[in-house]
Amino acid sequence: DADVTQTPRNRITKTGKRIMLECSQTKGHDRMYWYRQDPGLGLRLIYYSFDVKDINKGEISDGYSVSRQAQAKFSLSLESAIPNQTALYFCATSDREKLFFGSGTQLSVL
Amino acid sequence: AQRVTQPEKLLSVFKGAPVELKCNYSYSGSPELFWYVQYSRQRLQLLLRHISRESIKGFTADLNKGETSFHLKKPFAQEEDSAMYYCALSGSNYKLTFGKGTLLTVNP
Repeated sequence: DADVTQTPRNRITKTGKRIMLECSQTKGHDRMYWYRQDPGLGLRLIYYSFDVKDINKGEISDGYSVSRQAQAKFSLSLESAIPNQTALYFCATSDREKLFFGSGTQLSVL
Repeated sequence: AQRVTQPEKLLSVFKGAPVELKCNYSYSGSPELFWYVQYSRQRLQLLLRHISRESIKGFTADLNKGETSFHLKKPFAQEEDSAMYYCALSGSNYKLTFGKGTLLTVNP
């Protein structure tokens, strides 16, 4: 299912660097989300967007920012990466009935 | 605030045995509940939602508003059911909150 595409798949970076994770979708959905997955903590919502002009903070938005460049694109940025942001990041879209997930970006901050 | 609790991090059963993955929720309004599954090296995908009241891959889940639970059940587990299972709740703002997940292992 390549309807929700995340790039890169893997990224290793150093503390203090700026990182951007990109997400694009071909489903035509208005709603897009960024989650991070950590062992033992499940998925936690970072940011979500219900349309191009609507951006909302999730439960763990500190240290992150997002940009909704178009209906199909939703990018997540770490302005100054820190080691506890090492995690698996998922983008998702929604048709108001269920979420469709990307395959994830494994980010390691050294 | 909306909250989802999955009390078991790990659950191990033998093939053919019944399995129940527990999920409890906290939400003041009328929630919509889901189960998502993540098989090894695959992306998360929807398993079932309570509104559909359907059985997927032999799994069922009934919303019990009195006990605020949405437990996932299967009468006879299969090895291919081994995966991480997440219970999730959507409130009136359509924001999905996930539990911490239960890793199910079905042994041969």
